Amino acid sequence: SQQGEEDPQALSIQEGENATMNCSYKTSINNLQWYRQNSGRGLVHLILIRSNEREKHSGRLRVTLDTSKKSSSLLITASRAADTASYFCATETSGSRLTFGEGTQLTVNP
Amino acid sequence: DAGVTQSPTHLIKTRGQQVTLRCSPKSGHDTVSWYQQALGQGPQFIFQYYEEEERQRGNFPDRFSGHQFPNYSSELNVNALLLGDSALYLCASSLSVDTQYFGPGTRLTVL
Repeated sequence: SQQGEEDPQALSIQEGENATMNCSYKTSINNLQWYRQNSGRGLVHLILIRSNEREKHSGRLRVTLDTSKKSSSLLITASRAADTASYFCATETSGSRLTFGEGTQLTVNP
Repeated sequence: DAGVTQSPTHLIKTRGQQVTLRCSPKSGHDTVSWYQQALGQGPQFIFQYYEEEERQRGNFPDRFSGHQFPNYSSELNVNALLLGDSALYLCASSLSVDTQYFGPGTRLTVL
């Protein structure tokens, strides 16, 4: 069964707008990671945030983690058409085993 | 430096057959994990290999088995294929418990 749940399931925005995706999980974690997947291909690692961190930035990406609410958010600023993809959150609980959510399908319209 | 590679890219099998999928990890990585991704869903953990031993296993039947070789490459074997085994099979490599890097996947279709 999936531990994480992404919200929304689908998001459609215009180029230049910001996109926010949320992830909730159920158990204690070591870290939470965000991945991108284009058209059923392999997953591309975007960012990892550890359980003792609250916010992390990487380029146009901003990730927050609230362990008390068991939730995380991924913000993509100034979105581009090339950001169109499925985004997954994955939690690591022990031994580097990842548990993924169902994903958010982001469409950025030019 | 090559990333994670998987072969074959696509595969079509019939019910009851057996299949072997292959994965070569990123250079320097010693841990290989396998995931199954059904259409429209997130990946699900199958198992993980480290030092040629299965270190962790997800909720998959014994029809799913694997192997890791001394050069850290890995195979996933699925016996007695079912229609429900149709999925994208993803291999990920890492250095012990560090960030996992995924390969492009093998698309398996069972008819």
